[in-house]
Amino acid sequence: DAGITQSPRHKVTETGTPVTLRCHQTENHRYMYWYRQDPGHGLRLIHYSYGVKDTDKGEVSDGYSVSRSKTEDFLLTLESATSSQTSVYFCAISSSAAGYTFGSGTRLTVV
Amino acid sequence: QKEVEQNSGPLSVPEGAIASLNCTYSDRVSQSFFWYRQYSGKSPELIMSIYSNGDKEDGRFTAQLNKASQYVSLLIRDSQPSDSATYLCAVNSGSGSTLGRLYFGRGTQLTVWP
Repeated sequence: DAGITQSPRHKVTETGTPVTLRCHQTENHRYMYWYRQDPGHGLRLIHYSYGVKDTDKGEVSDGYSVSRSKTEDFLLTLESATSSQTSVYFCAISSSAAGYTFGSGTRLTVV
Repeated sequence: QKEVEQNSGPLSVPEGAIASLNCTYSDRVSQSFFWYRQYSGKSPELIMSIYSNGDKEDGRFTAQLNKASQYVSLLIRDSQPSDSATYLCAVNSGSGSTLGRLYFGRGTQLTVWP
């Protein structure tokens, strides 16, 4: 989607290394979210933000941290990557209590 | 824990048939309901939203909501092979700091065969 971009699109990393995924939006939306999607589990919320420097945990936040220093950027950091964090990561944005717009996703492989 | 359950798939229908996708949710105070379509290897795409009891139609898609039964469904009329995808049900139970937070079902995979 043109209003939201994720980087990188694909990444392979080694166990124990830190990894940062970036989500960038041009829509000036207040809410931003990080989800992971795994077979058999669907979309699970990792962290979300409701404003600059305002973030909160989702259902699967262990091992992850986030930062939002500007409205347009929401960073997800895997502090020490593990094989269980191999997944597809989606960022989403929303302007209100409405449906999300998703980014194209980041496919992360931890070896 | 807010639960969103979808009918287990995969669902397979012939071209031209009606595909029926179902979803139930656990949080009685849920206010907003959404259906997303996700093609293989792609990101979810919003196709329908519904906020009030009853039916909402958009082209070949009809969303139905029954808050008393905590049930939401999606009907796809005149199904086409291009409708083959995974359909995700999402429920918003926003209040306070969780405003705007969606809970997703695991999805139902639909295949429409020619």
